[in-house]
Amino acid sequence: GDSVTQMEGPVTLSEEAFLTINCTYTATGYPSLFWYVQYPGEGLQLLLKATKADDKGSNKGFEATYRKETTSFHLEKGSVQVSDSAVYFCALSGSFGNEKLTFGTGTRLTIIP
Amino acid sequence: EPEVTQTPSHQVTQMGQEVILRCVPISNHLYFYWYRQILGQKVEFLVSFYNNEISEKSEIFDDQFSVERPDGSNFTLKIRSTKLEDSAMYFCASLAGGNTGELFFGEGSRLTVL
Repeated sequence: GDSVTQMEGPVTLSEEAFLTINCTYTATGYPSLFWYVQYPGEGLQLLLKATKADDKGSNKGFEATYRKETTSFHLEKGSVQVSDSAVYFCALSGSFGNEKLTFGTGTRLTIIP
Repeated sequence: EPEVTQTPSHQVTQMGQEVILRCVPISNHLYFYWYRQILGQKVEFLVSFYNNEISEKSEIFDDQFSVERPDGSNFTLKIRSTKLEDSAMYFCASLAGGNTGELFFGEGSRLTVL
């Protein structure tokens, strides 16, 4: 079945550091790929998405590129802020859009001033 | 901004008791989901619901679980006889429909079974 493997945390970085959180997937067909973020005390929120190979999703300075050849969707940000501290989840769904999401384990990111 | 709301935020119950977790999805959404996350583990799909019936369910969603949309606004998850291993954070989500893929999640209900 479909699965998502995500870089284990926790990850602690200094403010303005470069961030990469690795995500690889296994799926049949052509899934859509997502990064969700969960800030303390809140629900999961969509951060960015990509629906086909070579698409780049971006939001709030974060980026991820759908790499079919490496089955990856790594999350990157050039300069993190304390407010980026959260748990980040990589996920995939079928290409139809209303299919269930399959999540990775989540990566807790802490940014220190 | 419309949001998905869940109650209670935390419930503690004794093993064998029935629990009902409640969700109010975004009003014009058509697809509804329950997920759970056992501490330190993956967020797992439980069930999806569309047009007043279950559209898909996982192996986790056995006969002890049921879902209902009793009044056109609430979406509930019932666990008939809780087990210790049901302790988890339960997330409700809703989706407008179409090919957007953007689920809107609630803040979660933490269930602790003693």
